[in-house]
Amino acid sequence: QITLKESGPTLVKPTQTLTLTCTFSGFSLATTGVGVGWLRQPPGKALEWLAILYWDDDKRYSPSLENRVTLTTDTSRNQVVLTMTNMDPVDTATYYCTHSDYTNYEGLDYWGQGALVTVSS
Amino acid sequence: DIVMTQSPVSLPVTPGEPASISCRSSQSLFDSDDGNTYLDWYLQKPGQSPQLLIYTLSSRASGVPDRFSGGGSGTDFTLRITRVEADDVGTYYCMQRRKFPPTFGQGTKVEIK
Repeated sequence: QITLKESGPTLVKPTQTLTLTCTFSGFSLATTGVGVGWLRQPPGKALEWLAILYWDDDKRYSPSLENRVTLTTDTSRNQVVLTMTNMDPVDTATYYCTHSDYTNYEGLDYWGQGALVTVSS
Repeated sequence: DIVMTQSPVSLPVTPGEPASISCRSSQSLFDSDDGNTYLDWYLQKPGQSPQLLIYTLSSRASGVPDRFSGGGSGTDFTLRITRVEADDVGTYYCMQRRKFPPTFGQGTKVEIK
């Protein structure tokens, strides 16, 4: 049973750095083909893809956020950490982490429950 | 980035009746190297995380009823529901992964009449 759960602050101030953790179970990031991604959804708006970390430690970031977003992993603790610098009120959103398998792609097949982050002074 | 455009924005439906949602991409999502069309569909039910419905144009995700089907080609795609049920309400999103970064449509909100 694959599960993912996002955790982190619910409120951050403008210019601060956001750190969100995706803690997962039921799969290993060491397994060939596995990817853990991050997406976000501003209130009432559409989904936006942010970044992905692959089983081989390759990372890809959305070009629009590449200068602000970093992914790190703690494989032993089954966690992927998203760091986003210089937060702005427009970054207010629900942040989701996802699982996918690129050896036999079947979509973003598992999602976390989401973490709502509000950026406000 | 590839721009994804969905229509309609809102879709009132009658239970038991069919429904369809359109998604158009600004570039072809067909990969001639492997013959795949990289278009997925997701449903976000009210208050929930998105869930996968269809991947790679027409493959249904595990557990998705066969009332749902995906089709199309090139830049024009359709999600069809043969007989809408009350549990199908929510916002439907198409997502392309033909070119990096993956991008989503703006969503189609399906509501019961």
